[in-house]
Amino acid sequence: EVQLVESGGGLVQPGGSLRLSCAASGFTFSSYWMSWVRQAPGKGLEWVANIKQDGSEKYYVDSVKGRFTISRDNAKNSLYLQMNSLRAEDTAVYYCARVNWGPYYYYMDVWGKGTTVTVSS
Amino acid sequence: IQLTQSPSSLSASVGDRVTITCRASQGISSYLAWYQQKPGKAPKLLIYAASTLQSGVPSRFSGSGSGTDFTLTISSLQPEDFATYYCQQLNSYLGTFGPGTKVDIK
Repeated sequence: EVQLVESGGGLVQPGGSLRLSCAASGFTFSSYWMSWVRQAPGKGLEWVANIKQDGSEKYYVDSVKGRFTISRDNAKNSLYLQMNSLRAEDTAVYYCARVNWGPYYYYMDVWGKGTTVTVSS
Repeated sequence: IQLTQSPSSLSASVGDRVTITCRASQGISSYLAWYQQKPGKAPKLLIYAASTLQSGVPSRFSGSGSGTDFTLTISSLQPEDFATYYCQQLNSYLGTFGPGTKVDIK
């Protein structure tokens, strides 16, 4: 079964750090771009970051540039999101998603159930 | 590039035909996907490349459009279709989502 399972969420104080993990199974992880998407309470979806199959290309939404780092370990079939200098507005459910990307198409076809990050003092 | 969706919400009855529009501020070719999300659940892919139905998605869902204007149509609304729908575009390697359209029961 194709599956993504996020972990690492929790309560953190403003200015703190957290590392999210996403364990992939049931597909060839190293063949896919991967993404993190978040959803603040009661709000819409926000794309956060993309990483290429070999980790050589990474892209971020402006609001997290310089604070968040996306990475992956293909040997461990795992995706990560290192979040530093956290702010209250980073409070959200964080989803990892498998990306299909080619000529004229870009979509996320497999999603995890999400992990909740709360930034509060 | 910004995405707008209209309407932001709608009320409809089972059996109704529902159309949701997604508009990009600049042309995005066919890099447009549609997702359905129910409360407390992860999003589910419905349509990609503007008009290709994802495997396993009922044929009552369809997508059309290119360039800047796209539509998601549900031909006959079913009870399980009451949810929020998001479009997503790719531009300059960034995968921006639209603000969402909530479909609820009339």
